[in-house]
Order: sequence, then C-alpha cells, then structure tokens
Amino acid sequence: EVQMVESGGGLVQRGGSLRLSCTASGFTFSNYWMSWVRQAPGKGLEWLANIKKDGSEKYYVDSVKGRFTISRDNAKNSLYLQMNSLRVEDTAVYYCARDTSGTDPPGAYWGQGTLVTVSS
Amino acid sequence: EIVMTQSPATLSVSPGEGATLSCRAGQSVGTNLAWYQQKPGQAPRLLIYHASARATAIPGRFSGSGSGTEFTLTISSLQSEDFAVYYCQQYNNWPYTFGQGTKLEIK
Repeated sequence: EVQMVESGGGLVQRGGSLRLSCTASGFTFSNYWMSWVRQAPGKGLEWLANIKKDGSEKYYVDSVKGRFTISRDNAKNSLYLQMNSLRVEDTAVYYCARDTSGTDPPGAYWGQGTLVTVSS
Repeated sequence: EIVMTQSPATLSVSPGEGATLSCRAGQSVGTNLAWYQQKPGQAPRLLIYHASARATAIPGRFSGSGSGTEFTLTISSLQSEDFAVYYCQQYNNWPYTFGQGTKLEIK
C-alpha cells in the first residue's frame, strides 16, 4: 500500500524557518518525481515545488522561489521542504504528493498533510 | 503560468441526478489535465488523469472529457459520498496549476 506521512509542521513566527519531512512507503521512491503542495485555510490548492527522481532538477512556484528548498534522500525514502523567511501567507496545510514516474500521472497519491501556522 | 478557471463555483444537485463540471485553461494543455475530489479535512483524491482516464478504484460514474483548453468532469447518478469540492489541475507546464474549485452540494 502506498503511504506518505508528513511531519514537521507547527507554529512559527514570521521570518522564521521550518523543515518539513515526508516519509514514503509502498512504492519505489527513487522511480518518482516528488512534490509539495499546500492549501491555505479555506482556500484552494497550490503546487509549490517538485524534484526529479535523482534530485538533479528542482522547480518552484514563484511565490516560494528563493525561500523554500525541496530535497530528497532516496536511501531513506524521504522528501523534505526547508522553509525560510516564512510569511503569514505561508500558513497552510502542506502535503507531499507523488509526482510522475514518466508514465504515471502526478498527484495519484498524497500524504495526510501537516499544518504550518505563521504568526505575526 | 497557466490560469485554470472552473465553473460553476457552486453546483446544487439532488442525489441520483447527474452533474457536469467545467474547467477552462488559459492556453492549451493538451490532455495533461487531472480532476481531484476533496472532502473536508482530507487530502485531494485523484479521480481523472490525462483528461479522461479514471484513476485506480474510481467508480465508473465519474468520467472526464476534453482537450486543449476545454474540459468537463461528468458525474452520473450522484451518491451521497460525491458531495465535495472538485478541482481541475493542469500538468502540461510548470508550475502545475489548479482551478479554484467547484463545490458540489446537496440540493
């Protein structure tokens, strides 16, 4: 069974940092691009960043570029999101999502999400 | 980035009836279009990918169609568990972008 479990969310002050983790199981992690997606309270979905199977390519949406860093450790089946210079508008549930393998579509599997709250 | 526009924002339908949700892309995305269902407190669930392919374990009452810039999600004979928010998403260009969602509510 495919599973992804996020951790690391919590309350942080504006300008602070937080590192999210996502541990995956039930599939060959290194065969898939992986992504982070967020959802602000009561709002829609925003696909933030993705990372290639071997970590050699990373892409970010403009709203987080230069502040967030996506990374992975294939030996640990883990995905990370380092979030710096946090803003109040970064408050959201953060999901890790399995992206494409090249044949599978992105978004077939998601974690349960971890809540990040940035206070002013 | 490609702007995705969904309509209507809210759709009120009685159980047993059908529903048609629309999604328009600001530029062609080919068939690189997905539909998700989201219920309160849950992660999104992939329903349709490649515009018309049903994801694993998705019931046959869900179907998708379209290509280029115009897409449709059709749900036939609505069940109680189908009332939720539905999002379309393009993955043809980075950044992947979502529509703002259609809330399907019980009439």
